[in-house]
Amino acid sequence: EIVLTQSPGTLSLSPGERATLSCRASQSVSSSYLAWYQQKPGQAPRLLIYGASSRATGIPDRFSGSGSGTDFTLTISRLEPEDFAVYYCQHYGSSPPTWTFGQGTKVEIK
Amino acid sequence: QVQLVQSGAEVKKPGASVKVSCKASGYTFTGYYMHWVRQAPGQGLEWMGRINPNSGGTNYAQKFQGRVTMTRDTSISTAYMELSRLRSDDTAVYYCVREWGYYYFDSWGQGTLVTVSS
Repeated sequence: EIVLTQSPGTLSLSPGERATLSCRASQSVSSSYLAWYQQKPGQAPRLLIYGASSRATGIPDRFSGSGSGTDFTLTISRLEPEDFAVYYCQHYGSSPPTWTFGQGTKVEIK
Repeated sequence: QVQLVQSGAEVKKPGASVKVSCKASGYTFTGYYMHWVRQAPGQGLEWMGRINPNSGGTNYAQKFQGRVTMTRDTSISTAYMELSRLRSDDTAVYYCVREWGYYYFDSWGQGTLVTVSS
């Protein structure tokens, strides 16, 4: 079973700064199977990025995803106040089908 | 628009069972797999399994095999998740989630808090 490890656990930044979040897989995975979600307190998660680099409907272009193999990155180019939240990466694995999440990175206001 | 509306909060004793419902609207219920994901207080997301609303076929995470049952009623566009032999560490918010693009989750219910306490 593939394990996703996110780093850092917490990222303390100011509005307007750039955020770089990492998601590392325990073995090489297909980029097609990698997604990122945002979760704000008291809310359900929201799909941000799918296929490692494609933005979901309605997601601002300050969010971008990249990576391949075992290393994936979510970048927020300039943090807006509404971007302070927890971010999860997620992977689909086949045979049998399973879905796995990373443990999350909290982006907090510095 | 897609909406997933879940049943209300539950309090259960250890050893009991809980059944959570998820009513879908705004799309063809039988056209998309429905998943269940849970989140313990202050913790991350954990995938539990999924159901094909068209066939009723299921896939469960190994951790929950034998304790979870996912069903659906297509006549009312509702999916159900039943978890048995509850323990205190099953205390969590349980979400129903629509699968999109085979690999992703694009719509989430509002969550149902299940508290297991003696």
